[in-house]
Amino acid sequence: GAVVSQHPSRVICKSGTSVKIECRSLDFQATTMFWYRQFPKQSLMLMATSNEGSKATYEQGVEKDKFLINHASLTLSTLTVTSAHPEDSSFYICSARGLQTQGSFFYEQYFGPGTRLTVT
Amino acid sequence: KQEVTQIPAALSVPEGENLVLNCSFTDSAIYNLQWFRQDPGKGLTSLLLIQSSQREQTSGRLNASLDKSSGRSTLYIAASQPGDSATYLCAVTESTDKLIFGTGTRLQVFP
Repeated sequence: GAVVSQHPSRVICKSGTSVKIECRSLDFQATTMFWYRQFPKQSLMLMATSNEGSKATYEQGVEKDKFLINHASLTLSTLTVTSAHPEDSSFYICSARGLQTQGSFFYEQYFGPGTRLTVT
Repeated sequence: KQEVTQIPAALSVPEGENLVLNCSFTDSAIYNLQWFRQDPGKGLTSLLLIQSSQREQTSGRLNASLDKSSGRSTLYIAASQPGDSATYLCAVTESTDKLIFGTGTRLQVFP
């Protein structure tokens, strides 16, 4: 159990456009989802934490108006990169934790496969 | 501010060797420590999770230890195989439930 998917796996967009990345929990209810960014040969940096039905909490230095996060349901969170620029090109990974089907809560985060964003 | 460091940054070994990857963290007030594996261009696979009250965890050829007071963890890989080639990340969980990741160790095991 605890499978997280992301869509798309790769996306190329032109500078100035917006792109949406989806993160889904397939077999559990994700009460909390996390969005990370990873630049080449660097580690993962937490961008924001979102709880279902609430506004996301952004980490210092992350522009909330540029990286819009919506967590409107217990199985879906979206990250929209608005007015993307080449420096936004990165690998975006989401993770989730929450309630298993039996109703037990787990704190461990399960990660999606990531989305490679390239802005030209 | 919590900082997590991994040594070495890269490692290349012949198949069959036993390996030790190191992870250190600056603030010992952690809830747990986790080791992940990341293949190129892929997401993360959790390998082992050690709660702050535990000293070690084992899974197959992997053994992770935790010395919270000294801010260190090691991941021991026995009898390495080419399929073990990947980047290994350690991460600590703080009271805010945030995962703070280390810089990673890129491992290559050659036949």
